[in-house]
Amino acid sequence: EDKVVQSPLSLVVHEGDTVTLNCSYEVTNFRSLLWYKQEKKAPTFLFMLTSSGIEKKSGRLSSILDKKELFSILNITATQTGDSAVYLCAVPGETSYDKVIFGPGTSLSVIP
Amino acid sequence: DAGVIQSPRHEVTEMGQEVTLRCKPISGHNSLFWYRQTMMRGLELLIYFNNNVPIDDSGMPEDRFSAKMPNASFSTLKIQPSEPRDSAVYFCASSSLDRGNQPQHFGDGTRLSIL
Repeated sequence: EDKVVQSPLSLVVHEGDTVTLNCSYEVTNFRSLLWYKQEKKAPTFLFMLTSSGIEKKSGRLSSILDKKELFSILNITATQTGDSAVYLCAVPGETSYDKVIFGPGTSLSVIP
Repeated sequence: DAGVIQSPRHEVTEMGQEVTLRCKPISGHNSLFWYRQTMMRGLELLIYFNNNVPIDDSGMPEDRFSAKMPNASFSTLKIQPSEPRDSAVYFCASSSLDRGNQPQHFGDGTRLSIL
């Protein structure tokens, strides 16, 4: 059965800290891995990763994929209170790219 | 460029009533998804459509739930009769398969409370 596991499930840090969020997966016929950020409303797309070892970067956020070890990390440097959110990792399931399987999410709280 | 539009934003109703949630996907997207999110179970895929055709409804919890997509720009998720355990946030998302691996774009969700 395809599954996505994230750790930690929750995290509290101070502004300025660097955090690393983890996502591991087990899927048949891997195609891509997606990271989303969810604040109060809908998840918003951050990154899509398809190749190992290539870092995707957007401002203070970066992510990398290891297809051999079946995991990805999302790094946030110099955290700000606006980074407080749930970060979701998702992977397309076995039957179709469309059937995306979401992990439980990591709830990040950044305190001043 | 308008995103995925869902209505209503909030719905509070008594158990036993019929509930209809609506979704307008992003123009040009040919895949549409309905999700349910709760604290206990996280984000769950209920059903998804490709080119208006339901592809997989294995996530639909029971026969009280039904979804339709009569055309490329509109979909509904109906619960009849509703129960308190159906209370959740329901998200609609769309994506474009034609452009390869494209992420799903989510609407703002409908927060449903069944009393």
